[in-house]
Amino acid sequence: RKEVEQDPGPFNVPEGATVAFNCTYSNSASQSFFWYRQDCRKEPKLLMSVYSSGNEDGRFTAQLNRASQYISLLIRDSKLSDSATYLCVVIGDSWGKLQFGAGTQVVVTP
Amino acid sequence: EPEVTQTPSHQVTQMGQEVILRCVPISNHLYFYWYRQILGQKVEFLVSFYNNEISEKSEIFDDQFSVERPDGSNFTLKIRSTKLEDSAMYFCASSDKPDLQETQYFGPGTRLLVL
Repeated sequence: RKEVEQDPGPFNVPEGATVAFNCTYSNSASQSFFWYRQDCRKEPKLLMSVYSSGNEDGRFTAQLNRASQYISLLIRDSKLSDSATYLCVVIGDSWGKLQFGAGTQVVVTP
Repeated sequence: EPEVTQTPSHQVTQMGQEVILRCVPISNHLYFYWYRQILGQKVEFLVSFYNNEISEKSEIFDDQFSVERPDGSNFTLKIRSTKLEDSAMYFCASSDKPDLQETQYFGPGTRLLVL
């Protein structure tokens, strides 16, 4: 079983719509969770951390479900600039070792 | 805003040759990392480095790989004898502290092509 799994997509989203997708992780001892964004052929960039109680950053909302071992990302009022691959990232039991999912591609269309 | 830089942006080499990928982490950061991403695949952890020694390395990071901080600013990844399957994007990252909410800042990457 992969350590971090994501639906690869693509999720085709009309501009202004809402899109949500999940990521599952296999290590129940995982301690920290993040969403990174990666544009084509570019480096990953931190979008937001995911806290146990869920958290929001502007149009982005992240949730963590420890019991079912998944995290989610919801994007409201999608913009064309939101088109990217969203990487689910988990820190397991090793400090500093980020474990990446393969990413979920989001394509926002006019 | 401070950023991680990497050179070269692209490197083409022949199989069996040595390559050195260079990174300049953010100046006050103490923890350094290398990751790689084979085209179309996920980002994979290679190695973490702190206080002039390796903290952790993955199975990918075999004897052909080494890292070094030769001076106060550079952090290098050396591949001694490249293989075709080493072709990938190599990202350097740095952070100021590896805690639960650590933010790792990634460089723009070096695209390595082994022929």
